[in-house]
Amino acid sequence: DSGVTQTPKHLITATGQRVTLRCSPRSGDLSVYWYQQSLDQGLQFLIQYYNGEERAKGNILERFSAQQFPDLHSELNLSSLELGDSALYFCASSVEFNSPLHFGNGTRLTVT
Amino acid sequence: KNEVEQSPQNLTAQEGEFITINCSYSVGISALHWLQQHPGGGIVSLFMLSSGKKKHGRLIATINIQEKHSSLHITASHPRDSAVYICVWRGGTSYGKLTFGQGTILTVHP
Repeated sequence: DSGVTQTPKHLITATGQRVTLRCSPRSGDLSVYWYQQSLDQGLQFLIQYYNGEERAKGNILERFSAQQFPDLHSELNLSSLELGDSALYFCASSVEFNSPLHFGNGTRLTVT
Repeated sequence: KNEVEQSPQNLTAQEGEFITINCSYSVGISALHWLQQHPGGGIVSLFMLSSGKKKHGRLIATINIQEKHSSLHITASHPRDSAVYICVWRGGTSYGKLTFGQGTILTVHP
């Protein structure tokens, strides 16, 4: 058990809708990372937060946004969903930006 | 060109064989991670390296900063080692950004 909790585990929704994915980092970890894993593209880094502040941005679409709250949990918001957004979304946490990563079990999003 | 190149993409072995997976990167890094992803999808972080060599059980990871190359070795492979192995580097202009290799699908037959 990595100590990172992601909810929900599965999400099925329709095109055009908006969803929120939640991540609770391991106790004591200040950094939270979001990744997307689709069948044809492997793992893609989306965004990183450290103690509430955005620290690094990857290939995150404008329709997607994220934030990290004072209690350090993070939410990834996906809006105007398209079929191509169907993927596994992983969250990971670490103590600091250059520390070992701890992964959650992912949220599987299916857009129909 | 992907900034991280992994090889081989697919690897099949017999139980007991010594396995090597390679990862090359094109820019300076601050750290390199090796991840293991099982068929169920869960990801486990195996190693984080910035220099030298690390060992954990039957797994050994090495990195050569000058040659921009890292290897993951599995000694005495076992069917339960069957998984996707992914190298990830952190570096470049944004130290939080992570770049993933394409992954190596390892299948170990009994």
